[in-house]
Amino acid sequence: AQTVTQSQPEMSVQEAETVTLSCTYDTSENNYYLFWYKQPPSRQMILVIRQEAYKQQNATENRFSVNFQKAAKSFSLKISDSQLGDTAMYFCAFMKFTNYGGSQGNLIFGKGTKLSVKP
Amino acid sequence: EAGVTQFPSHSVIEKGQTVTLRCDPISGHDNLYWYRRVMGKEIKFLLHFVKESKQDESGMPNNRFLAERTGGTYSTLKVQPAELEDSGVYFCASSQTGGAPDTQYFGPGTRLTVL
Repeated sequence: AQTVTQSQPEMSVQEAETVTLSCTYDTSENNYYLFWYKQPPSRQMILVIRQEAYKQQNATENRFSVNFQKAAKSFSLKISDSQLGDTAMYFCAFMKFTNYGGSQGNLIFGKGTKLSVKP
Repeated sequence: EAGVTQFPSHSVIEKGQTVTLRCDPISGHDNLYWYRRVMGKEIKFLLHFVKESKQDESGMPNNRFLAERTGGTYSTLKVQPAELEDSGVYFCASSQTGGAPDTQYFGPGTRLTVL
């Protein structure tokens, strides 16, 4: 069975600084996807960034980037130039390829990291 | 475009009562997922619909939970009878087949409290 571990329950960062959230996972699959979701205090969870396991290049979305280390099963999220609006719960998630759809399937989440950006 | 909506946002019921949660996915999304987060624990998958069919219901905790998706549109999740351990936040997500991978869009969740 796959598991996702986020070892930092809470973190804080000063506005404009950089912060890295860690995530490790365990799987015997070779093809899978990894995601970071963000849930602001208003509760709607939104996708921040995603990574296909077969791609060696780390995904980047504006101020958000990942450090994907497949052999180490590590998938950390770096937020550069932190903004007050980045304050949220961040969830790391794993999705394996499925027999029926390939790219569909349920997400397996970590417990989340609560990030506070301080002015 | 409207996002995923869920109703109600909060529900407080007593043990043994019945509660029905509703999820309206984004229009045109064939895939609909239910997840649950119990206090202090991970968000856990419950089940996955493709249109009106249950594709994967391996996460349903027991037969007190019944999910339906009438006509492949909205979905309901009924808990009958509710137990204390059913308390938590129930999330619904939908996705459109064709992405690689499909991006799941989440609703705001329904917070269920069983007293």
